Amino acid sequence: AQTVTQSQPEMSVQEAETVTLSCTYDTSESDYYLFWYKQPPSRQMILVIRQEAYKQQNATENRFSVNFQKAAKSFSLKISDSQLGDAAMYFCAYRRPTGTASKLTFGTGTRLQVTL
Amino acid sequence: DGGITQSPKYLFRKEGQNVTLSCEQNLNHDAMYWYRQDPGQGLRLIYYSQIVNDFQKGDIAEGYSVSREKKESFPLTVTSAQKNPTAFYLCASSMGRDSNEKLFFGSGTQLSVL
Repeated sequence: AQTVTQSQPEMSVQEAETVTLSCTYDTSESDYYLFWYKQPPSRQMILVIRQEAYKQQNATENRFSVNFQKAAKSFSLKISDSQLGDAAMYFCAYRRPTGTASKLTFGTGTRLQVTL
Repeated sequence: DGGITQSPKYLFRKEGQNVTLSCEQNLNHDAMYWYRQDPGQGLRLIYYSQIVNDFQKGDIAEGYSVSREKKESFPLTVTSAQKNPTAFYLCASSMGRDSNEKLFFGSGTQLSVL
């Protein structure tokens, strides 16, 4: 079974600074998909960014980017120019290849605080 | 506006009681899911449905039941067999079976035991 590990329960960053959230996963598959979801205090889950394992280029979405290291099974999220609105729980998630339903396996989350 | 509606926002269950959480979507999505979230843990899959009149158990299905009689609706019943039902429940949907597609989540239901 696939597992997703987020080893940082809490992180803190100053406004306008950069922070990196870590995620590692375990799988025997060669093709799969990885996601970062954000859960603000409203508890609504919001997709931040996604990465296909077969793509070598790291995904970017505005201030959010990933460092995908397939051999190391690592998928970290970098938030640049942090804003107060970035404060939330961040979940890393893994999904098996096409042919199965969108069953995501989630990590335990990292709570990000943004300070002035 | 298209989206997923979960109700109620808060729900209380008495001992031995079954309760049903509602999930409705108007996104014309084929697939729907129920996740449970406990403090300090990630989301865990309870049940999922890829098409009307079909559903599959997820990782923690014991003590729960679902139905999928309509494409738009995927209600979750927490039965009296679920001994630790206090949690935050999230419903989600997606267009189909593509691994890369985005899941759309509802705003959740907090279930507590009286």
